[in-house]
Amino acid sequence: EAGVTQFPSHSVIEKGQTVTLRCDPISGHDNLYWYRRVMGKEIKFLLHFVKESKQDESGMPNNRFLAERTGGTYSTLKVQPAELEDSGVYFCASSQDGVGYTEAFFGQGTRLTVV
Amino acid sequence: LAKTTQPISMDSYEGQEVNITCSHNNIATNDYITWYQQFPSQGPRFIIQGYKTKVTNEVASLFIPADRKSSTLSLPRVSLSDTAVYYCLVGDRERPKSGGSYIPTFGRGTSLIVHP
Repeated sequence: EAGVTQFPSHSVIEKGQTVTLRCDPISGHDNLYWYRRVMGKEIKFLLHFVKESKQDESGMPNNRFLAERTGGTYSTLKVQPAELEDSGVYFCASSQDGVGYTEAFFGQGTRLTVV
Repeated sequence: LAKTTQPISMDSYEGQEVNITCSHNNIATNDYITWYQQFPSQGPRFIIQGYKTKVTNEVASLFIPADRKSSTLSLPRVSLSDTAVYYCLVGDRERPKSGGSYIPTFGRGTSLIVHP
């Protein structure tokens, strides 16, 4: 069974550009999470989907970040326009519905560098 | 969510047993204790979870005293490949209630370095 996959693995963009990160969760997992790790800092929660609905987006930094999960399958996280402080590693995770906290499976992450 | 406190870093040698202790003084009745491992350039990976006493799997053991205010992750006979950051998380395992959500929340973790 495929794990959580993220694309791209690395992205380098200029300030002001737009970038879209994609996450494919494990098939059948209703919960999908986005996290971000800025260099030297902790892994910070961004938002949580249950199927196609945003359950909690309290961690989203500002309105330059837009997350979607069409049809409750894959998810995208768009940053528009990107700023220097958006650089970091963006992780996606998924877990089964009803299991909640037990075990979240993480992707390899997307390393975003804004120059 | 209960706040957790772990050592920032630890060093060990190959073949030794490593114990990493996490403090969670305000753990709630329904909270479970979960440990994740993260290698460089990878996402965190679930290691073990427990509620009380002792849990053991093929990777590690988790010791939880009766008051549950702390927990200890034990890695037997570590190797170089166990060099990683280890995170202790505490939270409710049950289904979220209306309007609530249960989110794995990470602290700084413990950076374990295993030396030859």
